[in-house]
Formats: sequence, structure tokens, C-alpha cells
Amino acid sequence: RKEVEQDPGPFNVPEGATVAFNCTYSNSASQSFFWYRQDCRKEPKLLMSVYSSGNEDGRFTAQLNRASQYISLLIRDSKLSDSATYLCVVNTYLGNQGGKLIFGQGTELSVKP
Amino acid sequence: NAGVTQTPKFQVLKTGQSMTLQCAQDMNHNSMYWYRQDPGMGLRLIYYSASEGTTDKGEVPNGYNVSRLNKREFSLRLESAAPSQTSVYFCASSEPQGFSYEQYFGPGTRLTVT
Repeated sequence: RKEVEQDPGPFNVPEGATVAFNCTYSNSASQSFFWYRQDCRKEPKLLMSVYSSGNEDGRFTAQLNRASQYISLLIRDSKLSDSATYLCVVNTYLGNQGGKLIFGQGTELSVKP
Repeated sequence: NAGVTQTPKFQVLKTGQSMTLQCAQDMNHNSMYWYRQDPGMGLRLIYYSASEGTTDKGEVPNGYNVSRLNKREFSLRLESAAPSQTSVYFCASSEPQGFSYEQYFGPGTRLTVT
């Protein structure tokens, strides 16, 4: 079983749609969680961190359920510019040595006019 | 600030050739990482360096070596390239602060081994 698993996708949605990405992780010792965005053939960039209380940034809402080891990302009112691959990322903290990020395989989103 | 830079951007090697991928960051980060990304596999950690003078294996270290030259630079070497090493390689850096921190990625090196 992969440590971090995401919906396989791709998701093809019209502009204005709401789209939800789901992710599960297997290591209960994981301590921090992120969604990264990766545009075609570019480097991944942090979209948002995910906190237990849930957090929102404009049209984006991230949720974490530690008991179920489940992370979600909701995009409301999707735009053409949201087309990208969304990566679920889990961090296992190594103290002052930083941490190891484990990446899901990504879910591709294509928003159509 | 340039952030994280990588050279070269593209490379074609023949099986058995060697090469070094270079990475540098100007954010004064302590930790640096090398990943490879293959279709359907996500990013996988090859090696990382938590701080200057230390390196550790990640998930897929076989066939690679690394050098943390100084705080800024972290290189990845392929001693004898194989077609299975065809991939996109990303370098990243971070400054750990508590439990949550961001990794900053370079633009990637696209390597083809024939």
C-alpha cells in the first residue's frame, strides 16, 4: 500500500464547478500535511498547509481528519487557471533534521470553458 | 533572490555514462533534498541533507550519490547511468520550523538515458 494515496483522476470540470480532491495516508505518526500544486512540466509549489481545524484560503478549503487519516481539498467556483496537478503531501518530522515529505501521485484537474 | 537553481535543465546520456546534477539555493536553508518524478509515481526522495555535512538515503537511493558541498550547494551524481534513471529530477530546500514548513523546489532537470 502506498503511504499517500490520492484519487487517480483526471478530473475534467466546467468553469464555476466545485471539485473535491481526496487523499489518505498510512503512517499515523505523520505530523503535518500539505497540498502542493504542479503545473505542467514545472516544479511543485505549496498551495496550502492543512490543519486539524480545517483552513480556508479564498476559494480553497482544506480539511484533515487524523482519526481516519484522510485529507481533502475543495475548490469552489473553479477557474481555467486552476488547471494543474494537485499533490497531497505528508510530512514525518525528524526533529532538528527537518522532515521527510511523502508525495501522493497527484490528481490532474482540467477546467474547461 | 533566485531561490533554488538547477543545472542543467535538460540532458541526454548514453547507458554507462556519468554526470552530476547541480543544485544551489540562496535562501540560507539548512535542509536540501533530491527527488525524482516519474509518470504515475509522484515524487520520490532519493537523498536528503538535513544540514551541512550530513546526508541520508531516501526512498530510492540506488545508483546515485550526493555531496553537500556547502550550505548552498547539493549535487547528485549518477556514476553509471541506466535507462531506468530516465526521469525528471527536482532539488528542494527548506528551513524546518516546528512541525510545518514549506519545501521550495528548483525548476527540474529532465534526464533521458538511452
